[in-house]
Amino acid sequence: DARVTQTPRHKVTEMGQEVTMRCQPILGHNTVFWYRQTMMQGLELLAYFRNRAPLDDSGMPKDRFSAEMPDATLATLKIQPSEPRDSAVYFCASGLHSGGIYGYTFGSGTRLTVV
Amino acid sequence: SQQGEEDPQALSIQEGENATMNCSYKTSINNLQWYRQNSGRGLVHLILIRSNEREKHSGRLRVTLDTSKKSSSLLITASRAADTASYFCATDEKGGGSNYKLTFGKGTLLTVNP
Repeated sequence: DARVTQTPRHKVTEMGQEVTMRCQPILGHNTVFWYRQTMMQGLELLAYFRNRAPLDDSGMPKDRFSAEMPDATLATLKIQPSEPRDSAVYFCASGLHSGGIYGYTFGSGTRLTVV
Repeated sequence: SQQGEEDPQALSIQEGENATMNCSYKTSINNLQWYRQNSGRGLVHLILIRSNEREKHSGRLRVTLDTSKKSSSLLITASRAADTASYFCATDEKGGGSNYKLTFGKGTLLTVNP
């Protein structure tokens, strides 16, 4: 089965450090989402891309978060500088948005702990 | 911001019983999807229902959609202990321009007791 691959699976970092999370979407998928999941806020949409173009990143704190898709096989989410409140599980999902008939495939997530 | 709201937040049933979860949303949608998440894992897509559909089945899953009430329900029949998980509804809603984005509710935690 095709998979969405996220790296790293776990990351512990000190406050103020830069964190980069990577996502390899499924080949042929034209849409990539980044979500953050916490107990308090649930699943928050941070940013998404269609055909590599950023469509909406209004869910991201712009001063410290950035999302890019340098090519069709890689999406990145960067936090600089990181803060303890950024501790969460970050999920990437990819799918083919064509007539709204397909669901999305999620990666296993990156569990980020900022101390 | 969350679009869908699931109800109940938690549900505990015995194996073999049916489980029903509800979802309400606020804006126009292209489709509504249900996902399952086992503890510590990623989300798994279960079923998608388009805005012009009213009911859909997949195995032991039955989904209904009422666009006039902006609500959906997920029924799992003959539940098994392996169905224990959190269930999320997600709406494919219109974002800026003609773009659609997928937003999630906070989920229903289903526990199926053997």
